[in-house]
Amino acid sequence: DAGVIQSPRHEVTEMGQEVTLRCKPISGHNSLFWYRQTMMRGLELLIYFNNNVPIDDSGMPEDRFSAKMPNASFSTLKIQPSEPRDSAVYFCASSRNQETQYFGPGTRLLVL
Amino acid sequence: GESVGLHLPTLSVQEGDNSIINCAYSNSASDYFIWYKQESGKGPQFIIDIRSNMDKRQGQRVTVLLNKTVKHLSLQIAATQPGDSAVYFCAENTPPSNTGKLIFGQGTTLQVKP
Repeated sequence: DAGVIQSPRHEVTEMGQEVTLRCKPISGHNSLFWYRQTMMRGLELLIYFNNNVPIDDSGMPEDRFSAKMPNASFSTLKIQPSEPRDSAVYFCASSRNQETQYFGPGTRLLVL
Repeated sequence: GESVGLHLPTLSVQEGDNSIINCAYSNSASDYFIWYKQESGKGPQFIIDIRSNMDKRQGQRVTVLLNKTVKHLSLQIAATQPGDSAVYFCAENTPPSNTGKLIFGQGTTLQVKP
């Protein structure tokens, strides 16, 4: 089992640029979660999908953040325009039937 | 300059000793709980879970205890090893339980001294 796959693993960009993070959930899992982890705020849930439908996006910081899940095997989290305060580790997790979530390795984002 | 951020509780134990990591959860209606381990530079890794109809569950070298009366969860690690050094998070499934949404605690850092 490949586990949750995230890309890129590291991203360095300049303020104002668009950033797209990608996630491939575990095959057969029907829920997908996007988290952000920082030293200041810990692990925060941004948005999650069930059967490709966004269920709760109340954790999305602002309109600069958007997420899509066009099919069961792929999701994106986009930040446009990016700001230095968006620097964090972004995790994707997936689960089957709303049970244990399995996390990917994360994307380390640095916005200069 | 001074470091600003979450001040995670830290548990420091000697290699070979048993470790107990505690967690107070927030919602008395939560019915599913998970412990995760996060090593430096990696994503949280599932360790063990427990449902609210149980008080105790054992895994390999780990035991989770649930006290619903005081909303307390603990993770016991037997014969702690250097590889156990990590940040440990508890998480609860918030009702309605069919959403899959987890609420994570702030985490506890476990340091194992050789």
